[in-house]
Amino acid sequence: QQQVKQSPQSLIVQKGGISIINCAYENTAFDYFPWYQQFPGKGPALLIAIRPDVSEKKEGRFTISFNKSAKQFSLHIMDSQPGDSATYFCAASIGRMGGADGLTFGKGTHLIIQP
Amino acid sequence: EPEVTQTPSHQVTQMGQEVILRCVPISNHLYFYWYRQILGQKVEFLVSFYNNEISEKSEIFDDQFSVERPDGSNFTLKIRSTKLEDSAMYFCASSQIGTGSYEQYFGPGTRLTVT
Repeated sequence: QQQVKQSPQSLIVQKGGISIINCAYENTAFDYFPWYQQFPGKGPALLIAIRPDVSEKKEGRFTISFNKSAKQFSLHIMDSQPGDSATYFCAASIGRMGGADGLTFGKGTHLIIQP
Repeated sequence: EPEVTQTPSHQVTQMGQEVILRCVPISNHLYFYWYRQILGQKVEFLVSFYNNEISEKSEIFDDQFSVERPDGSNFTLKIRSTKLEDSAMYFCASSQIGTGSYEQYFGPGTRLTVT
């Protein structure tokens, strides 16, 4: 019940295209859903995050879509660029005010943007 | 921009030895975390720490592990007697309190190799 399932495992997108990565969760207590970007040899970098009170959040070329009833959320990268080539992780936690809950991560998606 | 720092970047140790991994969280953050990432796998939560005590820990964080905030800036992870399967990247993260923000910021990691 603590798992976050992420797909696809790998993704190849042409430059300028839309990259879409999907995640699903089971624990209905999760209420904070961030996406992290990781380059080889580096730590995960927070990209964008959403709380379940909204269905979509957009920051620049990155958009999270959230479907609370389906317990699914996705990352859309518009106008994908070669510099976006990285591993992307979705995550979830119980975002209690004042709490220090650990993030449960998906298995990651290796994204390659072809020039 | 403030960032989480970690030392050393790479630690090689022999099985059975004790290791201490060090982290300096972002200065105004009060929640601290350790995660690990076995090569090619997802990031896994180990422990969270707040107000000088463990807030939450995972099944991975057994009696071989301990955390400490020895002074006002450092946060350490000690592995008492390392095993081959402890070989992984270890990431420290920190987050703020009281702002409704649950964003966790990760350091660059320490690669631990147990031989």
